[in-house]
Amino acid sequence: QQQVKQSPQSLIVQKGGISIINCAYENTAFDYFPWYQQFPGKGPALLIAIRPDVSEKKEGRFTISFNKSAKQFSLHIMDSQPGDSATYFCAASASGNTPLVFGKGTRLSVIA
Amino acid sequence: GAVVSQHPSRVICKSGTSVKIECRSLDFQATTMFWYRQFPKQSLMLMATSNEGSKATYEQGVEKDKFLINHASLTLSTLTVTSAHPEDSSFYICSATGTGGRRGYTFGSGTRLTVV
Repeated sequence: QQQVKQSPQSLIVQKGGISIINCAYENTAFDYFPWYQQFPGKGPALLIAIRPDVSEKKEGRFTISFNKSAKQFSLHIMDSQPGDSATYFCAASASGNTPLVFGKGTRLSVIA
Repeated sequence: GAVVSQHPSRVICKSGTSVKIECRSLDFQATTMFWYRQFPKQSLMLMATSNEGSKATYEQGVEKDKFLINHASLTLSTLTVTSAHPEDSSFYICSATGTGGRRGYTFGSGTRLTVV
């Protein structure tokens, strides 16, 4: 599996602030880049996903920025809330029913 | 939306016994199922990929005789951990993709396996 590198490992943000998580990939065959949110003891839940033909996608408070030339993508959480405290994973996959390759995760804590 | 039901959510078994985990796609045909294992505070590690009606493809280092995967129908895949040992204790998660050009990976809610 090609690696997807995710940073930071952990992040503390004040309520109302912006949370930013970054990922970089190596495999240029990747064409699908989702972000997942996972709470303890639960399976990952899809937050938002992007394809390389757009540079940004926004859904509510969540935005993905994508830089194809740099092979990087990031998740921005605007107006972060304590309920956003969870582990976030970036992932990537190539076309066809190929498996997702996950980053190592970022543990986000939003403090009041 | 697409839903994958995974059972059981928690299971405790004795060392040496076998445990079966089921994943069902409730509202779509899952042509491909992926099985992941996640240790505490770590990422999801792919164990195997299974296509309906075919033998599963296992990742390097995953014992196919220990982790038996069956994907006999388009709505059901099972993972059986045979002769479980304490080191097999982990969180197991399935994920499914469907047909008709639908892109996306639907995850089950996971199974916490504890081997005592």
